[in-house]
Formats: sequence, structure tokens, C-alpha cells
Amino acid sequence: DIVMTQSPDSLAVSLGERATINCKSSQSVLYSSNNKNYLAWYQQKPGQPPKLLIYWASTRESGVPDRFSGSGSGTDFTLTISSLQAEDVAIYYCQQYYSTPRFTFGPGTKVDIK
Amino acid sequence: EVQLVESGGGLVQPGRSLRLSCTASGFTFSSYAMSWFRQAPGKGLEWVGFIRSKAYGGTTEYAASVKDRFTISRDDSQSIAYLQMNSLKTDDTAVYYCSRARSGYCTGGVCSYYFDYWGQGTLVTVSS
Repeated sequence: DIVMTQSPDSLAVSLGERATINCKSSQSVLYSSNNKNYLAWYQQKPGQPPKLLIYWASTRESGVPDRFSGSGSGTDFTLTISSLQAEDVAIYYCQQYYSTPRFTFGPGTKVDIK
Repeated sequence: EVQLVESGGGLVQPGRSLRLSCTASGFTFSSYAMSWFRQAPGKGLEWVGFIRSKAYGGTTEYAASVKDRFTISRDDSQSIAYLQMNSLKTDDTAVYYCSRARSGYCTGGVCSYYFDYWGQGTLVTVSS
């Protein structure tokens, strides 16, 4: 299985400041035939199910605020929250779907307000 | 509005069985693959299993940790996905989520999927 790692485990950011979360896969999730990275990001708030934020590494899901952006390719990816809002306090997970259906998630990064 | 509602969770003794249901509404259920995930208390997300739509054979896949114990099925006439869990272990204690799988890219009859809608989850506690 593809192993996903994330860093940091947690971070605290001031309101309005940038939050950056990194995700690394144990093998490339870039599919050469369509040049797409099979990587998604989810947000999970306490007591709630995960919510899809980003797919194809950088495509924002409909309705997701544009302060959320994804980047990266191959094995290294980043989720950026450009201006942290109070409602962004959550755990963020990356997930690869390159090896469908052997979906694997990163361990999560907890984002708090400083 | 897409809705997924899980039910059937509860307290069960080790070695016993439980069946979870995921009732869908707001979309054409038969057109979508569905998946089950779980999250142990205070832990991360774990994929449990997956069932393709009938158009792609309705076949199932399972994580190694549940293979041969868990079975996923679907009733497209009622828009319900099921997770039959047998020989339950204390390690199976978790919140179980069902999720709709959106097909990302298909080639040669094989599709990739990511997950755009999730239910609120149902808690399964395996304990004596």
C-alpha cells in the first residue's frame, strides 16, 4: 500500500495568517497517461465527518472557500490556508486514490488558532 | 441535496455480528460506487471497503484488516448500502462512515475514485 505522511502533526496559526500543511506519499501518485495527481484533501471538524476540500491535488471542490489551495506533484503536496479563519480549526487529511481501491490517508494535521 | 445516513451501530460482544446500513438520497444511487470508512476513537481515517456500481460490475474490495470478515452489498432499489460485519474484534471499535465515491478518471473499464459526500457516521463498540 502507498503510505502517506503529513507534517507537521499540529500547528497553531494566528487569525488571518497562512497555514501550510505538507503531505508526502511513499510512491508517486502522478498518473502519466493523464498527468493528474491522485491526491485529495479533507477537513474534519470535531464531531463531524470528513469534508472534501481538494481533489486532483489542486482542484477545489465546489463551495470550498478560495483561501484553501492545494499544490504539488508526484510525491510531495501542500495544502495552504491563505488567511486562517476561526471556522478552519480542524484536522486535515490527505488521501491518495492512485491505488484505487486501496485508498490510504495521511495521519492528519491538527490546525488551531494561536 | 445529497444525504447519507448510517444506522445500525451499537454495542456488540467480540465474535458477534452487526449490519450497518447507509441510506442515500438526493442523487441517483445506482450510478455511484460507495465506500465504507472507519475512525477509531481519537485516531485517523481508515478505508474499510468499497462496492462499485452495477455498471462496473458491482464488485467489492476490502482492506486486509477486514477481508473475510466484512461484506459490503447494495440495494439500488432502496438506495441503501450495507456493511455486514462478522467475527467482530475489539479493534473494530470505531465510528463507521459511508461515503459516495465520485469517479475521477476511467480507462479500460477501471475507474479511480475520491469521496465527495460522507454520512455523519455510526458508532460501533465491540466489548464484552
